[in-house]
Amino acid sequence: RKEVEQDPGPFNVPEGATVAFNCTYSNSASQSFFWYRQDCRKEPKLLMSVYSSGNEDGRFTAQLNRASQYISLLIRDSKLSDSATYLCVVRVPGNNRKLIWGLGTSLAVNP
Amino acid sequence: DTEVTQTPKHLVMGMTNKKSLKCEQHMGHRAMYWYKQKAKKPPELMFVYSYEKLSINESVPSRFSPECPNSSLLNLHLHALQPEDSALYLCASSSHPSRTGIYEQYFGPGTRLTVT
Repeated sequence: RKEVEQDPGPFNVPEGATVAFNCTYSNSASQSFFWYRQDCRKEPKLLMSVYSSGNEDGRFTAQLNRASQYISLLIRDSKLSDSATYLCVVRVPGNNRKLIWGLGTSLAVNP
Repeated sequence: DTEVTQTPKHLVMGMTNKKSLKCEQHMGHRAMYWYKQKAKKPPELMFVYSYEKLSINESVPSRFSPECPNSSLLNLHLHALQPEDSALYLCASSSHPSRTGIYEQYFGPGTRLTVT
C-alpha cells in the first residue's frame, strides 16, 4: 500500500460545480496534513493545512478523518482558475522536515 | 509575504559544465530545502538545511552539492550532470510552527534545468 494515495483523475467538472477529492494515508502516527495545488510547469503552492477539527477557507473546505486515515478537500462553486493538480501531503511522523507526497489529482473546470 | 525567489528561471548546461542554482527567502525561516521534480511526478526531497546546517541528504549523488551561506540563502552547485538530471529544481523554506505546531513549506518558482 502506498503511503499517500490519491485518485489521479482527471476530474472534469463544469463551472459552478462542487467537487471533492479524497486522500488516504497509511501511517496512523501521521500528525500534519496539507493540500497543495500545482499548475502546469509551476511550483506547488500551499492551499491549506488540514487541522484536526477541519478548516474552511472561502470556497475550500478540508477535513481529516483519523479513524479512517483519510483527508478530503471540497471545492464549492468551481472556477476555471481552479483547474490544476491537487497534491495531498503528509508529514513524516517524528520528522518536522520531511513530507510524503501523493501523486496528485488532476482537476479541469470547464466553461 | 511568503516569497521564495530562485535564479535562474531556466538553465541549459552540458555534461562537463559547472553551474549553480540560487535561492533566497526573507521570511526569517530557518529551514530551507532543495527538491527535484520530474514531469507528472511529485517533488522529491534532495537536501534540508536547518539553522544553516545540513540536516538531511536523501542519498543524492555528489554531482549535486548544496551550500547554505546564511539563513536567507541556499545554493545548489552542479557539476558533471547527466541528461537524466534534467528536471524542475525547487527550493522551499518552512516557517516556525504556527499556533497548531504545523511546519508549512513554501516553494520558489523553480529552475527548469536541461542537461545536454
